[in-house]
Amino acid sequence: AQSVSQHNHHVILSEAASLELGCNYSYGGTVNLFWYVQYPGQHLQLLLKYFSGDPLVKGIKGFEAEFIKSKFSFNLRKPSVQWSDTAEYFCAVRGLTGGGNKLTFGTGTQLKVEL
Amino acid sequence: DAGVIQSPRHEVTEMGQEVTLRCKPISGHNSLFWYRQTMMRGLELLIYFNNNVPIDDSGMPEDRFSAKMPNASFSTLKIQPSEPRDSAVYFCASSFGQESFNEQFFGPGTRLTVL
Repeated sequence: AQSVSQHNHHVILSEAASLELGCNYSYGGTVNLFWYVQYPGQHLQLLLKYFSGDPLVKGIKGFEAEFIKSKFSFNLRKPSVQWSDTAEYFCAVRGLTGGGNKLTFGTGTQLKVEL
Repeated sequence: DAGVIQSPRHEVTEMGQEVTLRCKPISGHNSLFWYRQTMMRGLELLIYFNNNVPIDDSGMPEDRFSAKMPNASFSTLKIQPSEPRDSAVYFCASSFGQESFNEQFFGPGTRLTVL
């Protein structure tokens, strides 16, 4: 079975600070990895995804994530956060060996960016 | 493109009542997912369909929950009888393809409160 662990449940940063949100997954085979964002009162939107190739993935709004296979990690980063980045961030994994189209989400990290 | 449509957006009901949540996936998408989001458990996959057929319902909490997809453009999630612990936000998502590398697009969610 696949699982996802997000270590930081709440993060508070000042504008222009750098961001790194941790994500570790558990799955023995090939995976697809995703980061979704949920802005206050809105539905989930895809930030970025990793399927194969370059392990450093660029997403929207200046976000990026790095897949480190040996560490089973897919941490989300942004060099300089903005107040508008205040949202909840979800890491998700899809195991490709018999996993079908099923995504397993982490419990989310609530990010608050202060002015 | 209207995106994934869910109705109602908010539902308040009393314990014991039947609740029906509705979802219209994006036209052309053939995979549909129902998720539940709570503070305690985060985002959980309840069930997903491919080509109107339920593929994985292992996340459905108990027999009080049922989901149907009578055609490619409509799905329902029914709770009968509802209980206060069912209070959550229920999201529907759709994507194209079963073994798909495409993202899941989420609807705005239905916020269910069971009194």
